[in-house]
Amino acid sequence: DADVTQTPRNRITKTGKRIMLECSQTKGHDRMYWYRQDPGLGLRLIYYSFDVKDINKGEISDGYSVSRQAQAKFSLSLESAIPNQTALYFCATSDLRVSQPQHFGDGTRLSIL
Amino acid sequence: QQPVQSPQAVILREGEDAVINCSSSKALYSVHWYRQKHGEAPVFLMILLKGGEQKGHEKISASFNEKKQQSSLYLTASQLSYSGTYFCGTEYGAGNKLTFGGGTRVLVKP
Repeated sequence: DADVTQTPRNRITKTGKRIMLECSQTKGHDRMYWYRQDPGLGLRLIYYSFDVKDINKGEISDGYSVSRQAQAKFSLSLESAIPNQTALYFCATSDLRVSQPQHFGDGTRLSIL
Repeated sequence: QQPVQSPQAVILREGEDAVINCSSSKALYSVHWYRQKHGEAPVFLMILLKGGEQKGHEKISASFNEKKQQSSLYLTASQLSYSGTYFCGTEYGAGNKLTFGGGTRVLVKP
């Protein structure tokens, strides 16, 4: 089984719909991240959480919200989806020690029509 | 601010070498390197902390030049499996989040 699991893997939806992407991990890591990947733009940080009570905005948080339900679960919501939020979304985790590798889930491909 | 990677793309024949650079306009605490194959998740390669250390992974190594605020990734005697997009992620303080560069696409041909 994957250490970092994202659901769904693919989603097609319509403009204005509310969408939730889920991430769960079995690595026991405290830190969790949500990234968005667009062609040619690399990975951009949406939100990150260093523990259950700590939520921080990343560089592109507008239009998104998150919930850290437990150490192992971190969900990303699009309250009212718009077409330019069509992208590949990755969840990642890392240990709380300084400068540790990030471990990525397999991604969610989201298309908003 | 996003680090700048160069080149944006490189095509190699098996056995050839290549260098990928990652430059920052701000002082770096560490640089992380990841490789992403098409349709897959990014996979961690190595971390370099400030101090100019060099690390290796298979025949892939990297260095960190603190004066230039730059890290370089060296692909030596490239193999077909080295194909993919390489990303650097920069950390500007201990325990902070990563900021990723735009990536360098590497294609190794037989």
